Amino acid sequence: NAGVTQTPKFRVLKTGQSMTLLCAQDMNHEYMYWYRQDPGMGLRLIHYSVGEGTTAKGEVPDGYNVSRLKKQNFLLGLESAAPSQTSVYFCASSSSGIVTGELFFGEGSRLTVL
Amino acid sequence: GQNIDQPTEMTATEGAIVQINCTYQTSGFNGLFWYQQHAGEAPTFLSYNVLDGLEEKGRFSSFLSRSKGYSYLLLKELQMKDSASYLCALMDSNYQLIWGAGTKLIIKP
Repeated sequence: NAGVTQTPKFRVLKTGQSMTLLCAQDMNHEYMYWYRQDPGMGLRLIHYSVGEGTTAKGEVPDGYNVSRLKKQNFLLGLESAAPSQTSVYFCASSSSGIVTGELFFGEGSRLTVL
Repeated sequence: GQNIDQPTEMTATEGAIVQINCTYQTSGFNGLFWYQQHAGEAPTFLSYNVLDGLEEKGRFSSFLSRSKGYSYLLLKELQMKDSASYLCALMDSNYQLIWGAGTKLIIKP
């Protein structure tokens, strides 16, 4: 049971470099989310998608872009990485949105920007 | 605005009971959730409360008082595997989740 898979698990970038985080889910979920988790803070929503071809901004979208070209994939891009983007990134999916309460999370991608 | 508070860290003994509190302030409320997150792993769903009262699920129970802006997660018969962070999350009037910073629970033998 793969569930939600994130790649890569770890990455070190230099300031100004770009990269893409890939999230893949095999549960046929409509809704997908990208969060970041920083020490001493709650999860913060970066962007989300309510279906294939749609994306929307969350609480902290600046410096990130996303795409949902296929239902099972949700990509998070950093065009010009900054040290403030050092964080653990979690992708999550759900069948019918947050209302049901149950989000299925990936194992996280730890990004360090030097 | 919205705010969620929960203790940063708690310690309990194997076999005992522990209560993790979560207080919140919000202008709109559509439910409160608890998630468990082991170190280095993904958060996993534990419970959802939208009405006042106690919801029991095995060794875990969650309580909600909307008038007091208060919830707690009760863990009974603690096991070493319960050592984890417990995240409280509020769903606001816009159906957005506002997450607390989490409570790290340390279980000692």
